[in-house]
Amino acid sequence: SQQGEEDPQALSIQEGENATMNCSYKTSINNLQWYRQNSGRGLVHLILIRSNEREKHSGRLRVTLDTSKKSSSLLITASRAADTASYFCATGRYNTDKLIFGTGTRLQVFP
Amino acid sequence: DVKVTQSSRYLVKRTGEKVFLECVQDMDHENMFWYRQDPGLGLRLIYFSYDVKMKEKGDIPEGYSVSREKKERFSLILESASTNQTSMYLCASSFRTLAGKEYEQYFGPGTRLTVT
Repeated sequence: SQQGEEDPQALSIQEGENATMNCSYKTSINNLQWYRQNSGRGLVHLILIRSNEREKHSGRLRVTLDTSKKSSSLLITASRAADTASYFCATGRYNTDKLIFGTGTRLQVFP
Repeated sequence: DVKVTQSSRYLVKRTGEKVFLECVQDMDHENMFWYRQDPGLGLRLIYFSYDVKMKEKGDIPEGYSVSREKKERFSLILESASTNQTSMYLCASSFRTLAGKEYEQYFGPGTRLTVT
């Protein structure tokens, strides 16, 4: 398996601070996606960035992709307690619809 | 809204039992997936189906089989449950990638299976 890895494994911040999570992967990719998982629930898609894109925004989320370093980062600005969750990156390769998920970052935002 | 439902949220089975986990999606997605999620290991793909009656092994297919007789339904079968199959099982679905357009996966709420 060519699982990606998120860094850090766990992150604790105060409300209003920014949270940055990083993802590294091993193979060439077609796209990279970020998902959120609230405790004990299914995953929810946040954002998809294609291999020819370098940055993408969605609301308070900013994702960057550096294919030369095989890495991506997810920035959540002005964090809220409701952002408390686990965040996973997932990479998509060419000629397959399968995704390879990382091991996740647990984010705790304290009020 | 896309809806992916799983037959049970919690399930307790005994070692050696045959276990069926069912997943239904209502968005006419071609692709359906079964993952298991364990602490520290993230999500690992068990099986993938890209069409009715079509399937592909994922990273950890041993001890599992699948069935997809209808487009909206994808079943995961544990032929003889073992304690090391105690885990959270997640089903997902997505459209097939077309003409360079990639799609996200939609997940069900998960089934927490305990095998005793």
